Amino acid sequence: TQLLEQSPQFLSIQEGENLTVYCNSSSVFSSLQWYRQEPGEGPVLLVTVVTGGEVKKLKRLTFQFGDARKDSSLHITAAQTGDTGLYLCAGGSQGNLIFGKGTKLSVKP
Amino acid sequence: DTAVSQTPKYLVTQMGNDKSIKCEQNLGHDTMYWYKQDSKKFLKIMFSYNNKELIINETVPNRFSPKSPDKAHLNLHINSLELGDSAVYFCASSQVNSYNSPLHFGNGTRLTVT
Repeated sequence: TQLLEQSPQFLSIQEGENLTVYCNSSSVFSSLQWYRQEPGEGPVLLVTVVTGGEVKKLKRLTFQFGDARKDSSLHITAAQTGDTGLYLCAGGSQGNLIFGKGTKLSVKP
Repeated sequence: DTAVSQTPKYLVTQMGNDKSIKCEQNLGHDTMYWYKQDSKKFLKIMFSYNNKELIINETVPNRFSPKSPDKAHLNLHINSLELGDSAVYFCASSQVNSYNSPLHFGNGTRLTVT
């Protein structure tokens, strides 16, 4: 069974700080998706990475797919309170999309 | 216009009751899903339907029965509710039946079984 491990599980930082969260697996994925979920809402897709080594930027968010397509990272520059939420990575496995357990990010003013 | 809408938002009921959750998507997507998110925020797929046909049925008790009257709707009926069924249930859709296809989620139904 393919598993996606996300770290850290919780992260609390001050506004303006930088941070990186990780999504790791021992298995190869054809693609990885990153979602953000806010309280009381469903997850919303941020980005899909497909090619090993790929880097995608979404304003202050930078996503990287590992060369071997087993891991991915999300870096946020100068975090804002609006970045608070649960960040989930998801990858394809045996026809399903499986999710990691998420990183809960809290950005304090 | 809401893309994926599910009702109700909250559902509180007693053990042993039967309840339904409805889901509709107006994105024209072919595939719809039910996911369960537990208290630790872990999202796990329950069912997947492609064009009204069941594609994925994970190890979910028989008490859970999905029904898709057309490709825009996927409802979830739960019989004989148990305490362990308490969770947030998310409906989602994707354009095609592929795990590379991004998911569009509803806002969830928080089910509390007392």
